[in-house]
Amino acid sequence: EDQVTQSPEALRLQEGESSSLNCSYTVSGLRGLFWYRQDPGKGPEFLFTLYSAGEEKEKERLKATLTKKESFLHITAPKPEDSATYLCAVSLYGNKLVFGAGTILRVKS
Amino acid sequence: DGGITQSPKYLFRKEGQNVTLSCEQNLNHDAMYWYRQDPGQGLRLIYYSQIVNDFQKGDIAEGYSVSREKKESFPLTVTSAQKNPTAFYLCASADGSDTQYFGPGTRLTVL
Repeated sequence: EDQVTQSPEALRLQEGESSSLNCSYTVSGLRGLFWYRQDPGKGPEFLFTLYSAGEEKEKERLKATLTKKESFLHITAPKPEDSATYLCAVSLYGNKLVFGAGTILRVKS
Repeated sequence: DGGITQSPKYLFRKEGQNVTLSCEQNLNHDAMYWYRQDPGQGLRLIYYSQIVNDFQKGDIAEGYSVSREKKESFPLTVTSAQKNPTAFYLCASADGSDTQYFGPGTRLTVL
């Protein structure tokens, strides 16, 4: 069964304290891996797409990396405005996405 | 200003009632999707459509119906057969790549 697991479920950081979120997957025929940010009561906002092991993408304080079995979202020197739920999804045949349950990030000043 | 709109933002349903959630996009995307989000769970696919006048069931289609008469529109009807409809509903669209872009969502509550 295709499965996406995110850890930790929740993460509390102090402002400036760097950390990483994990997304592990067991799927057949991975086409791509996606990271989204979701604020409470809003739709997910697209962040990154990764297609092959070794690929990295960066945007401001965020960097996403991909291996054959997992992806990491590294957050460098986070600020309170980075607080959100971060969702990971993998793309399978037919443009279908399978989502993980998300990691809730809280950054305190 | 291109994007995806969903309406209403909040919707209340009485027992035995059918309700329809609207999703419109002006991104000229061919593919559109409906997801359901429950607390502590990942998004689950209800229905998707790759082209006009064609759609497929997702993982949790029971109790839901859709239509795709226009490229821009993909409404979702939550029927009385859906026994636990209270959730946050998200519509998405995609161009030729696999990247999906989401609307702001509709929160449905059963009274």
